[in-house]
Amino acid sequence: DADVTQTPRNRITKTGKRIMLECSQTKGHDRMYWYRQDPGLGLRLIYYSFDVKDINKGEISDGYSVSRQAQAKFSLSLESAIPNQTALYFCATSDTTGGLETQYFGPGTRLLVL
Amino acid sequence: AQTVTQSQPEMSVQEAETVTLSCTYDTSESNYYLFWYKQPPSRQMILVIRQEAYKQQNATENRFSVNFQKAAKSFSLKISDSQLGDTAMYFCAFMKPVAAGKLIFGQGTTLQVKP
Repeated sequence: DADVTQTPRNRITKTGKRIMLECSQTKGHDRMYWYRQDPGLGLRLIYYSFDVKDINKGEISDGYSVSRQAQAKFSLSLESAIPNQTALYFCATSDTTGGLETQYFGPGTRLLVL
Repeated sequence: AQTVTQSQPEMSVQEAETVTLSCTYDTSESNYYLFWYKQPPSRQMILVIRQEAYKQQNATENRFSVNFQKAAKSFSLKISDSQLGDTAMYFCAFMKPVAAGKLIFGQGTTLQVKP
């Protein structure tokens, strides 16, 4: 089984709808992240969480919210989706043991907002 | 602010040959981490190799190695004996240990391995 899973893998929605993207991990990592990837660009950080009670905004948090339901679960919500939120969304987890923090990514969710 | 630049949008290489992907970055930090991630058509982001800036020895993982030039702020990836499965987009990424968790990505280089 995959260590980091994302649901759904693909989603089509309409402008103004609320949607939630979910991420679960079995790696036992405390830190979790949400990124988006646009064509021709690298990934950009939306939100991150270092533990269940610690949530922080990333580079592009406007229009998004998150919930850390448990150590293993981190959800991303678009309260009112707009077309420019069409993108590929990645969840990641990281481990800081050994001093070199390394992030491991889920398979991604492709979102299309019409 | 830190930036990461990959100046080669697309590259190609013949199977079994060697190819080098370029990455430069800008930072005033003395210690940091650098990564190369691979994104094949399946779109999964896969860690290829990582380097700690305070380590002078270049990291190596099987056919993948880096040339880390700290003074020049350069972190290139060399793929030896290229295989068809190496066809992917490759991203260089930077992280400051103090601001742990914030990966800054380059724009990516699309690599095509030709048979």
